[in-house]
Amino acid sequence: DAGVIQSPRHEVTEMGQEVTLRCKPISGHNSLFWYRQTMMRGLELLIYFNNNVPIDDSGMPEDRFSAKMPNASFSTLKIQPSEPRDSAVYFCASMSSGNTIYFGEGSWLTVV
Amino acid sequence: GENVEQHPSTLSVQEGDSAVIKCTYSDSASNYFPWYKQELGKRPQLIIDIRSNVGEKKDQRIAVTLNKTAKHFSLHITETQPEDSAVYFCAASNSGNTPLVFGKGTRLSVIA
Repeated sequence: DAGVIQSPRHEVTEMGQEVTLRCKPISGHNSLFWYRQTMMRGLELLIYFNNNVPIDDSGMPEDRFSAKMPNASFSTLKIQPSEPRDSAVYFCASMSSGNTIYFGEGSWLTVV
Repeated sequence: GENVEQHPSTLSVQEGDSAVIKCTYSDSASNYFPWYKQELGKRPQLIIDIRSNVGEKKDQRIAVTLNKTAKHFSLHITETQPEDSAVYFCAASNSGNTPLVFGKGTRLSVIA
């Protein structure tokens, strides 16, 4: 298995622009998670899906952030409009039953 | 919800010495406790985990102990090597498709 696949790996964008991060979970995994990692706040859970349904989005910072999972093999995290404080590494992770979470390589976002 | 505290935030040891990282959790319903290792610029990767039906688990130089009464668990690395240098995260969750709650991480430096 190729593991969790994220794109883009790196993105530099200007403040105010829309950012879309993409994730393909491991085939057969029915839970998908979006985490954000910064030096100050560590690994924060933004949102997670079970069987493509959003379960808990209480970690999403504000309305500028949205996430979708239209099918079992694809999810997006969108930031619109982006701000410099959104600069972070965004990890997508997936899990089957049993709690073991596997992370993607991450999307390194810089908003200037 | 669950809260995971991790100590110390940084740890330096001489090569060959042991390293111990400790975590506490708040939700008595949590029953799954993994540890992840994150090298610089890489994704977090699972190195060992323990479930609440056991008190200790060992895998070569790595061991994890769990005290459910006190709600704390620890990672022990023996005979440390320079390649053990990384950030280590503990996490906790209860069974089912629930997300992991992570500690803030411990930056381990192994000095040759």
